[in-house]
Amino acid sequence: KAGVTQTPRYLIKTRGQQVTLSCSPISGHRSVSWYQQTPGQGLQFLFEYFSETQRNKGNFPGRFSGRQFSNSRSEMNVSTLELGDSALYLCASSSSIAGVAYNEQFFGPGTRLTVL
Amino acid sequence: AQSVAQPEDQVNVAEGNPLTVKCTYSVSGNPYLFWYVQYPNRGLQFLLKYITGDNLVKGSYGFEAEFNKSQTSFHLKKPSALVSDSALYFCAVRDMGTGGFKTIFGAGTRLFVKA
Repeated sequence: KAGVTQTPRYLIKTRGQQVTLSCSPISGHRSVSWYQQTPGQGLQFLFEYFSETQRNKGNFPGRFSGRQFSNSRSEMNVSTLELGDSALYLCASSSSIAGVAYNEQFFGPGTRLTVL
Repeated sequence: AQSVAQPEDQVNVAEGNPLTVKCTYSVSGNPYLFWYVQYPNRGLQFLLKYITGDNLVKGSYGFEAEFNKSQTSFHLKKPSALVSDSALYFCAVRDMGTGGFKTIFGAGTRLFVKA
């Protein structure tokens, strides 16, 4: 099976702009989660989608949003970019079934966002 | 709230020696614990998980982890380290959020294996 893919791999934006990141999960996986990774804050949970519904959201401002399509592909959007949004954004998919906590996640390579 | 602590920012070990990367957790119910590894410029890779049963869990690349309920620990171990094991290791716990589960990661431990 093909792994989790993320596009683009690298992005450079300026403050105030917006950005959309894309994630294609492993075929058959219906759960997609997004994380922000920075040297100072580590891995921070952004949100999780399952069957097009956001099931959980982390402690991020409303500028961070996401969605999931019927084919389980997911996008996240960051509006009004700030310098502090520079990070590696990771997408992960799992074969999570509702109510099951113990399925491992499979991560994509990430999108490196730099905000100037 | 659930939490995960990795007390060491960095672990240094010589090739061929055993390695241990420490993790302690705090959960209110049954712990579902995971270890992931991140190589440079790559996403995280799943190594192993503990759900229930045997306290010693075996995973990929010769790694294993020991679950200790009384010490609330889930330390990652390998009997003989390889230079290629040098990477960033994350311990994680599954937490129930308002609408479902989310994964909480520790801060990560960088492992350096010297030849």
